[in-house]
Amino acid sequence: AQKVTQAQTEISVVEKEDVTLDCVYETRDTTYYLFWYKQPPSGELVFLIRRNSFDEQNEISGRYSWNFQKSTSSFNFTITASQVVDSAVYFCALSEALIRSGNTGKLIFGQGTTLQVKP
Amino acid sequence: DAGITQSPRYKITETGRQVTLMCHQTWSHSYMFWYRQDLGHGLRLIYYSAAADITDKGEVPDGYVVSRSKTENFPLTLESATRSQTSVYFCASTTKLGNWKQYFGPGTRLTVT
Repeated sequence: AQKVTQAQTEISVVEKEDVTLDCVYETRDTTYYLFWYKQPPSGELVFLIRRNSFDEQNEISGRYSWNFQKSTSSFNFTITASQVVDSAVYFCALSEALIRSGNTGKLIFGQGTTLQVKP
Repeated sequence: DAGITQSPRYKITETGRQVTLMCHQTWSHSYMFWYRQDLGHGLRLIYYSAAADITDKGEVPDGYVVSRSKTENFPLTLESATRSQTSVYFCASTTKLGNWKQYFGPGTRLTVT
């Protein structure tokens, strides 16, 4: 069965600190996709990144970076020099690949990590 | 406007009533999904649809019914609402072509009293 675990329920940091959000996943598939979504206080789900299982290169986008390690089944998310606007709930999610008949691309979400960045 | 919309955005209903949440997307995505969000559980899949007239259960389908007569619409019906169905409901869509990214609607906050 597929599963995503975000062990950190809440994290509180002071502005400009770096913070890492952990994500560990379980799947039997050899091809799959991993996602991070942000949910700010307004409630909408904002797509941050998608990574497929055969691309282990780390990704950096401005202050955001992602570390994908298949050996440890982890897809961690780091915010460098955090800002108050980063305060949100962050979700990691796993999706089966839409390459086999019967696969649907449905997302399995972790429980979410609430990040509070204090000024 | 193009995108994925949900209506109503907020709904209060009484136990035992039937309520339908609407979802509409303008991209002609073949796959559509309904998730519910509850504290401590993240988002959980209720139902999904691979195409018009093709639907299947997700992780938490009990008490819900879906239909998909048109590709762009995917309504979710609570046949007899219960307090445990108080939640925020998100509709999403994706396509087999492209980057598998799921596009989410703005959510419907449902309260069952």
